[in-house]
Amino acid sequence: EPEVTQTPSHQVTQMGQEVILRCVPISNHLYFYWYRQILGQKVEFLVSFYNNEISEKSEIFDDQFSVERPDGSNFTLKIRSTKLEDSAMYFCASRFGSGNTGELFFGEGSRLTVL
Amino acid sequence: AQKITQTQPGMFVQEKEAVTLDCTYDTSDPSYGLFWYKQPSSGEMIFLIYQGSYDQQNATEGRYSLNFQKARKSANLVISASQLGDSAMYFCAMREGLTGNQFYFGTGTSLTVIP
Repeated sequence: EPEVTQTPSHQVTQMGQEVILRCVPISNHLYFYWYRQILGQKVEFLVSFYNNEISEKSEIFDDQFSVERPDGSNFTLKIRSTKLEDSAMYFCASRFGSGNTGELFFGEGSRLTVL
Repeated sequence: AQKITQTQPGMFVQEKEAVTLDCTYDTSDPSYGLFWYKQPSSGEMIFLIYQGSYDQQNATEGRYSLNFQKARKSANLVISASQLGDSAMYFCAMREGLTGNQFYFGTGTSLTVIP
């Protein structure tokens, strides 16, 4: 069964360092997302990506964040200068489109710990 | 106003019994989709069931069913014949519009199945 894969599963970094989280969405999907979940809290939308550009972003997704789809398969989230409050589980998700139920398929998450 | 409200932070159910997890939503868009996801302790997000705003019948998927009451704007998840493996966090989510991009998640309900 096709799945969304994320790497790394866990990353520990020092405050102020750059972090890149990688995702490989399901191959025929068209919409890509990043969500984050601070421990024990709700799932928060960060950004959506369609047709090689950001289609929507939340207020959390400030200038420290960027996304890229460099090679047609990977979908990356970069945090330029991490802060303590960036510690969270980051989920990548993808969906095919609006023609079906359009449910999100999530990866298993990348846990980021900022020290 | 919150787009998705889950008022039960924690629920307990006896094994083999049925349980209802509440979800209410807020939207003025006549077209929307409602989703339930399960998050076990391992952290991944697993899609369970979908209900479209124009669907005439309540969605069912195996032991999962969705009690969709459009006038009340509620989309409660019913799990029948609970199993120990059902112990997890459950999130209700909504996507607005036929081409809506962003998924709004509730704060989740922690379900514990008691043997």
